[in-house]
Amino acid sequence: AQKVTQAQTEISVVEKEDVTLDCVYETRDTTYYLFWYKQPPSGELVFLIRRNSFDEQNEISGRYSWNFQKSTSSFNFTITASQVVDSAVYFCALSEAGGSEKLVFGKGTKLTVNP
Amino acid sequence: DAGVTQSPTHLIKTRGQQVTLRCSPKSGHDTVSWYQQALGQGPQFIFQYYEEEERQRGNFPDRFSGHQFPNYSSELNVNALLLGDSALYLCASSLQGRSSYEQYFGPGTRLTVT
Repeated sequence: AQKVTQAQTEISVVEKEDVTLDCVYETRDTTYYLFWYKQPPSGELVFLIRRNSFDEQNEISGRYSWNFQKSTSSFNFTITASQVVDSAVYFCALSEAGGSEKLVFGKGTKLTVNP
Repeated sequence: DAGVTQSPTHLIKTRGQQVTLRCSPKSGHDTVSWYQQALGQGPQFIFQYYEEEERQRGNFPDRFSGHQFPNYSSELNVNALLLGDSALYLCASSLQGRSSYEQYFGPGTRLTVT
């Protein structure tokens, strides 16, 4: 069975601090996709990144970076020099390619960036 | 290019009533998935529709049913509403066979059951 665990329920930082959001996943499949979504107070899920299970290269996009480690089944997300606009709930999700096409989400981490 | 749209935005119903939520997929998409997001939780998969048929279903009771129309739009129906059905209902659209790869989410319908 698939499972995504986001152990951090809430994180509060001061603007310009770096913050890492943890994600640990479980799956029996060898081929799968991992995602991060941002959910601002408006409610809409905003896609941030997708990685497939064969690509363990870390990725950087501006202030965002992702660290994928299959050995520890983790897909962590770091925001560098956080800003107030980064305040949101962040979800990590997993799907199995070629099989069930549903997304399995973690419970989310609420990030508050204080000025 | 219109994204995924959902209606209504908000809805208040009484226990025991029935509700219908609507979703129009992103242009070019043929598959619609529905998710329920309770307060403080991650979205949970309800079911997926393709070619006007339910293709997959999550762990939800039969009170939850759906429909897909020839234009790919979809409805989610919930009968005999319970207080626990209060949640944000999200619709996601995709291309069949690529739902595991890419889903676009709508803004959601917030349902309150009193």
